[in-house]
This record gives sequence, structure tokens and C-alpha cells, in this order.
Amino acid sequence: AQKVTQAQTEISVVEKEDVTLDCVYETRDTTYYLFWYKQPPSGELVFLIRRNSFDEQNEISGRYSWNFQKSTSSFNFTITASQVVDSAVYFCALSEGGYSTLTFGKGTMLLVSP
Amino acid sequence: EAQVTQNPRYLITVTGKKLTVTCSQNMNHEYMSWYRQDPGLGLRQIYYSMNVEVTDKGDVPEGYKVSRKEKRNFPLILESPSPNQTSLYFCASSLEPVYNEQFFGPGTRLTVL
Repeated sequence: AQKVTQAQTEISVVEKEDVTLDCVYETRDTTYYLFWYKQPPSGELVFLIRRNSFDEQNEISGRYSWNFQKSTSSFNFTITASQVVDSAVYFCALSEGGYSTLTFGKGTMLLVSP
Repeated sequence: EAQVTQNPRYLITVTGKKLTVTCSQNMNHEYMSWYRQDPGLGLRQIYYSMNVEVTDKGDVPEGYKVSRKEKRNFPLILESPSPNQTSLYFCASSLEPVYNEQFFGPGTRLTVL
């Protein structure tokens, strides 16, 4: 069975600090997909990134970067120079290839204070 | 505007009174899904549908029913709601199966007394 662990329940930082959100996953499949979603205080869910298991290249998008390491089954998310608008709950999710289910982690609440 | 809509957005009901939460998407997506979000548990998948007339259980299907008679609509039915179904519900859709980006509706906050 697939599983996603986000061990950090809540993180508090001060604006401009860098912060890393951890995601560890478990799967028996060799083909799978990993996602990050953001849920701001307004409640909607916003897609951030998708990565498939054959692409271990790290990705950078502005202040956001993602580090995918199959050796440690991790897909960590780093926000550089955090801003108050980054305050949200962030979810990591996993979909195994060949299946149609999506398993979310329990989420990490990030609070960025001025 | 491409979107997933859910109705109602808020609902307070009583135990045992059947209810339906509607979900509709205008993006011609094949895949649709329902999730519930509870504090400390994240999002858990209830049911999903690969296409019209094709539905299957997710991780927490007990107490829920779904139907997919049209591509755009995927209603969630609670035949006999109970207090443990008090939750925030999200509908989502994607162009192809779940390994594509999912677009989420705004959520329905349900309280069962």
C-alpha cells in the first residue's frame, strides 16, 4: 500500500527565512507520481508540482524548489526567502502507476510571520 | 472560466437525512474524484471515476455513494449521514487518470448533528 509521511505538523518561520518541508513516501511500484499542493487560509487547493519516478531532476520555480531523492524515498520542498503569503498548509501526495488513487500526507502547516 | 463547482458550499443537517453534494466540471475531464479533509488526517479519497459509468472506491468509501451518468457531473450521496461524516469535502477532476494535475472545487463544509 502506498503511504506518504509529512512528519512536520507545523512550522513557524520569520519572513525571509528559508524553510524546507519534508515528504517521505512508501511504494512498491517502480512507476509512481509525486505531487505538492498548497492550501492557503482561504481553503482552496492549488497544484504546485508533479514529478514522476523516472525523473529525479530537481526543479526550481522562482522561490520554490523541490528535491526528489529515490534513494531516501523523499520529495522535499524548499521555499527560499519565505513571505507571509506563503503561509498555508502544504500537502505532499503519491499516486502509484497503474492505479487511480491518490494518497495525501497529513499536511504541514507553514506560518510565516512578518 | 475553467472550474470545478460544488454545491452547496455549506450544509448543516441531521443524522439520517439523505443528502447530495453536487460536483460539476467544465473542462471535459475524464477523471473525477471526491476527498474528505479532516484535521490531522489530511485528505482522504472517498471515490473516484475514470469515466462515465466507471466508478471505484478510494480509501474511505463507507457511508457514501457516487454516480457518473454524465462526464461533467459526479455527485456525492450520503444516504444516511452520521456525525462522523462531518467534514470538509472536495471534488476534483483531471484530464486523464490521477497522475495528472487535479483541479479542485472550492469545498463543501458539511456538519451532521
